[in-house]
Amino acid sequence: NAGVTQTPKFQVLKTGQSMTLQCAQDMNHEYMSWYRQDPGMGLRLIHYSVGAGITDQGEVPNGYNVSRSTTEDFPLRLLSAAPSQTSVYFCASSYSMYSPGYENTIYFGEGSWLTVV
Amino acid sequence: GENVEQHPSTLSVQEGDSAVIKCTYSDSASNYFPWYKQELGKGPQLIIDIRSNVGEKKDQRIAVTLNKTAKHFSLHITETQPEDSAVYFCPGGSQGNLIFGKGTKLSVKP
Repeated sequence: NAGVTQTPKFQVLKTGQSMTLQCAQDMNHEYMSWYRQDPGMGLRLIHYSVGAGITDQGEVPNGYNVSRSTTEDFPLRLLSAAPSQTSVYFCASSYSMYSPGYENTIYFGEGSWLTVV
Repeated sequence: GENVEQHPSTLSVQEGDSAVIKCTYSDSASNYFPWYKQELGKGPQLIIDIRSNVGEKKDQRIAVTLNKTAKHFSLHITETQPEDSAVYFCPGGSQGNLIFGKGTKLSVKP
């Protein structure tokens, strides 16, 4: 049982390039999400999905695109990389959609370190 | 949604001392309160949680206490060790929108 797997672990991009961060989970979770973490900013939600074919925006969606064609995969696409997107990206999944105050363990991947120069 | 405030933002203790981190929540209907730990270079991981029908839960050196009247819950770490150095989170948010704030950075000095 691998849990949540993110690739690549490290990536350097030039401004304007596009790339996709891959995320896969093998726990049959319906809910998946992407966060970015910057120094002093905590974790900020980029996009999330409550099931295959359904996605929604989080707090900081601009410059990112997602799709959910299968339950297992939730890739994050950077359309035209900018230095402001230099960050650590975490993919997360859970059995069901987060509902405040209700039991639901969130599983995180190991993170993807992205540098845009 | 669930607004959660966490204090302190940073905490430094000597190895062997205890550490306490507190979170205050807003929704009196909440019945589940988790704590996550993020070690350097890794993603957050659930370390302990508590349901509203329980006042305290322990797991070895860590414990969580819940005060429903005051609407706060706390993480207690006893006999701290260097490996306890990490960022700890009590997440909140709204439906579908789980929010991890800045957390509490705990440093355990040897």
